Amino acid sequence: GQNIDQPTEMTATEGAIVQINCTYQTSGFNGLFWYQQHAGEAPTFLSYNVLDGLEEKGRFSSFLSRSKGYSYLLLKELQMKDSASYLCAVRNQAGTALIFGKGTTLSVSS
Amino acid sequence: EPEVTQTPSHQVTQMGQEVILRCVPISNHLYFYWYRQILGQKVEFLVSFYNNEISEKSEIFDDQFSVERPDGSNFTLKIRSTKLEDSAMYFCASSGAGGRSDTQYFGPGTRLTVL
Repeated sequence: GQNIDQPTEMTATEGAIVQINCTYQTSGFNGLFWYQQHAGEAPTFLSYNVLDGLEEKGRFSSFLSRSKGYSYLLLKELQMKDSASYLCAVRNQAGTALIFGKGTTLSVSS
Repeated sequence: EPEVTQTPSHQVTQMGQEVILRCVPISNHLYFYWYRQILGQKVEFLVSFYNNEISEKSEIFDDQFSVERPDGSNFTLKIRSTKLEDSAMYFCASSGAGGRSDTQYFGPGTRLTVL
């Protein structure tokens, strides 16, 4: 079966650092993606990991451990505009479909 | 920056009617996808399309649904005999081929409301 777990909600303050965890159990693995989704809008691509380790991209970093079925998204220097849902998605063995988690709603306050 | 576009942004239809949702993928992309998101729920994969045929489809994508690339730019999702539970946001996405170009880029979505 396919199962992707993320916390439902998180809160943080401006300027802080937040880590959003994702664990997955899927029938195959061909990469893990993080997307940001503001309410009523499309998911926008943030990061991609296919090998173990950390990928850094400005204020955002993503980590993957394939043996543990675990990833996290790290957001630094939080801004109010970072308030959104963060979606963890695994690409399946066939290499086309993205299987999404339910998303983590992050609220950033001043 | 190139982007995926979708029309209409909002479609209202009566139960039992057919709807066609339209998408223009990023021009040099080769893979096309449809996803849906029921309000308050997760994004769900429907179908992927490559080289003028379906590559993969989910259990949701039954005989009620079909996809087509009628010309060199458009990619459509047809939903026949719509049901109340088809009400959702439908996202089109596209990607290139190979390596990091496999990232899927999403369009703004069509909100389908079935009454």
